[in-house]
Amino acid sequence: DTEVTQTPKHLVMGMTNKKSLKCEQHMGHRAMYWYKQKAKKPPELMFVYSYEKLSINESVPSRFSPECPNSSLLNLHLHALQPEDSALYLCASSQADTEAFFGQGTRLTVV
Amino acid sequence: GIQVEQSPPDLILQEGANSTLRCNFSDSVNNLQWFHQNPWGQLINLFYIPSGTKQNGRLSATTVATERYSLLYISSSQTTDSGVYFCAPRNTGFQKLVFGTGTRLLVSP
Repeated sequence: DTEVTQTPKHLVMGMTNKKSLKCEQHMGHRAMYWYKQKAKKPPELMFVYSYEKLSINESVPSRFSPECPNSSLLNLHLHALQPEDSALYLCASSQADTEAFFGQGTRLTVV
Repeated sequence: GIQVEQSPPDLILQEGANSTLRCNFSDSVNNLQWFHQNPWGQLINLFYIPSGTKQNGRLSATTVATERYSLLYISSSQTTDSGVYFCAPRNTGFQKLVFGTGTRLLVSP
């Protein structure tokens, strides 16, 4: 099973809302990632967790707050977002620096 | 950081045609993946290919890490091959998977 599950698939939120994106994998992978993808652009790395610890933050604004409660789960907490944060958010996992697998993504619209 | 360029940026093919997509990267890499992104945004793993050549049905890929490039071959293309193809190398010693600029493929019947 190479499945990474993301919920929700679609999310519309206002600029004053707080919401969370969830990502789950059961492959025993110890590295998990959040990527952001704008239309007609490649995915861009936001965060990397390794063994449940934040190892890379690509200078992401603090209105995005990642959390890794255990080795299978990765959350992205959203607060006070701007319309330009509307994008496809992709979660991935891998065993160390080997093959990565991606979820179907959450399509976020900020109104 | 590593720079990853893909060519061509856009490609239109007639069904049944063959094509070669190229990925050039600026630094040494541990490994490299090819993905197909479907119209719904799902990134589908095609190849995990740090070096050498692999084949999977009508698709094959070759990575020459010492010369810093990888190629994806699509033979007898089908309309379902349409979408965006990304290569994503991982820098030696880094955890980042960096995506290339992408090739947008349209296969017409």
